[in-house]
Amino acid sequence: ETGVTQTPRHLVMGMTNKKSLKCEQHLGHNAMYWYKQSAKKPLELMFVYNFKEQTENNSVPSRFSPECPNSSHLFLHLHTLQPEDSALYLCASSQELGINSPLHFGNGTRLTVT
Amino acid sequence: EDKVVQSPLSLVVHEGDTVTLNCSYEVTNFRSLLWYKQEKKAPTFLFMLTSSGIEKKSGRLSSILDKKELSSILNITATQTGDSAIYLCGQRGSQGNLIFGKGTKLSVKP
Repeated sequence: ETGVTQTPRHLVMGMTNKKSLKCEQHLGHNAMYWYKQSAKKPLELMFVYNFKEQTENNSVPSRFSPECPNSSHLFLHLHTLQPEDSALYLCASSQELGINSPLHFGNGTRLTVT
Repeated sequence: EDKVVQSPLSLVVHEGDTVTLNCSYEVTNFRSLLWYKQEKKAPTFLFMLTSSGIEKKSGRLSSILDKKELSSILNITATQTGDSAIYLCGQRGSQGNLIFGKGTKLSVKP
């Protein structure tokens, strides 16, 4: 158990569907992150939140829409995705951006877009 | 252009061997360098390095940062099959973002 829980573990969706990924952390952290992991590519940083405020949007297409209602929860809303969006989506948390501390990752959601 | 470069990309060794994994990074906005181990899903934290020349050690794993060479190495001695994983190196910038390299896939054969 990493202290960061992601649901669902697996998701298959069509290109016209709308779905959401959920992340919850029980570590008392204030920064949360979304990463995308595709085969043969580095982990790609997508979004960063610090104290519920978005601080980074790494040129991510608008079909990915993040939401951070509080410091413990992070969502990634998905709509009209493409097959190339199939990947492992990892959520992470850390104390806060101003503190040089490690990130703690969840087990990820394996997304397949058909 | 990749900001964090790891080498080799993959490595196959036998149990008992010693391995050295390499990571080079950019100097811009450097705060720390982090190593993670990823077996199936969640990358698990190994080391965070901020000062040059100070070795961090945990069991058979150790790591050191060289700020002059903008690089870090991760050493694993007396490798075991359970060490098989992808080892990720990431640079944390002044804004707090953690940018990763492609990883080194290590396979340890019995």
